[in-house]
Formats: sequence, structure tokens, C-alpha cells
Amino acid sequence: EPEVTQTPSHQVTQMGQEVILRCVPISNHLYFYWYRQILGQKVEFLVSFYNNEISEKSEIFDDQFSVERPDGSNFTLKIRSTKLEDSAMYFCASGGIGTVGNQPQHFGDGTRLSIL
Amino acid sequence: AQSVAQPEDQVNVAEGNPLTVKCTYSVSGNPYLFWYVQYPNRGLQFLLKYITGDNLVKGSYGFEAEFNKSQTSFHLKKPSALVSDSALYFCAVKKTGANNLFFGTGTRLTVIP
Repeated sequence: EPEVTQTPSHQVTQMGQEVILRCVPISNHLYFYWYRQILGQKVEFLVSFYNNEISEKSEIFDDQFSVERPDGSNFTLKIRSTKLEDSAMYFCASGGIGTVGNQPQHFGDGTRLSIL
Repeated sequence: AQSVAQPEDQVNVAEGNPLTVKCTYSVSGNPYLFWYVQYPNRGLQFLLKYITGDNLVKGSYGFEAEFNKSQTSFHLKKPSALVSDSALYFCAVKKTGANNLFFGTGTRLTVIP
């Protein structure tokens, strides 16, 4: 079964540094998402991306965050100047036609981001 | 505004017994409802979804969920629990036409051998 893959599995970064988290969504999917899960807390929506632009974003997704689909296969999340509170598990998800309806989103295994 | 409540942080059940993981929701319009499971160091795996008209939904690994509109609930059930079902379970809701999933806080299920 096709999977969403994320790299790296664990990223350790100094506060203030830029970090890029990478995701390869399922190949025929059209909708792409980033979520995060702070340790011990619930999964929170960050941003959705469709047709090469952001379709929806949460309050968490401020100017420090950006997303890109540079080459038609990868989907990246960039944090420009990391803060301690950015430490979390970041999940990429993708969905096919119908995802705006009741079709499920498919999640990767996540990247654990640790800010020192 | 939308919200999801999973009132139990932890559910313990003996192997072979039926299990229930509770979820209630609040959303305007007709909801899209989902259950996901998270195993240690893994992402969220889709279990099942609510489709309008089918109050009892069957999903992966023998799980099912019962939609109750009057109680705005979508409880996850399984007739006979397995030790391998031990994991973190998340209920999620999506508003019609919206793109993002809104998750509950999760319930840790432990199945005792």
C-alpha cells in the first residue's frame, strides 16, 4: 500500500536556526497537509496545500512557517527561525480526490523536531 | 467552531472483552467523523469514517463505530479486544467543505493479557 514518507525521523536544531522538514506524499494525491503534535498533547492542524497554494492555515502557522512543493513530488515545511516551543512531532498527510469530503487523509510517521 | 471530546485519557480492558472508546463532537452542519490509531513512534493510521446514513460503521482490524446524532457521539467499539490493539486512539471531525481535521486529545487503550 502506498505510504507517505517523511525525512528525517528526528531533527535536532539550535534555537534561531532554520529547519526544513521533508515529505513525499502518495503519488496521485492532490491535497497536502502539515500537522503537529506537541508531546502529550493532541494533533493540531497547521496548513493545507492544494493546486500549488495554501488553501487553509491555522493560527499556529505564522510568518515563521512556509510550505513548498518544489518539484511535484516533495512537500516541505520550513521554519525560518526556530523557537523552543516549536519542539514537537510534525506529521505530513496527503489525500486524493474527495479529501475535502469524507475521504481520509493519510499520514506519515512524522519528524520529531527538537529545538535546543 | 468545532470541537471533539474524548473524555477518557486511558481505557483498560481485558483481552477478549469488548472495548469502547468514547468520542463526542460539536460542529456546524453535517460532520465528517474519523477514527485514527497511533502506535508508538508511528504516524496516524486511518481506521474508519462516518458516511451519512450508516449509523454503524465498520473499519479496519475488526473495529466499528456507532454514530448517534442526538447524542453527537461517535464511539469506537470492538467486540473482542486483542493485546495488539493497545495504542493511542484519536477521534477527528471535519466540517463539510473544510480541509482540516480537528482532533480530540486521544485515548490510550491498554489491553491486558
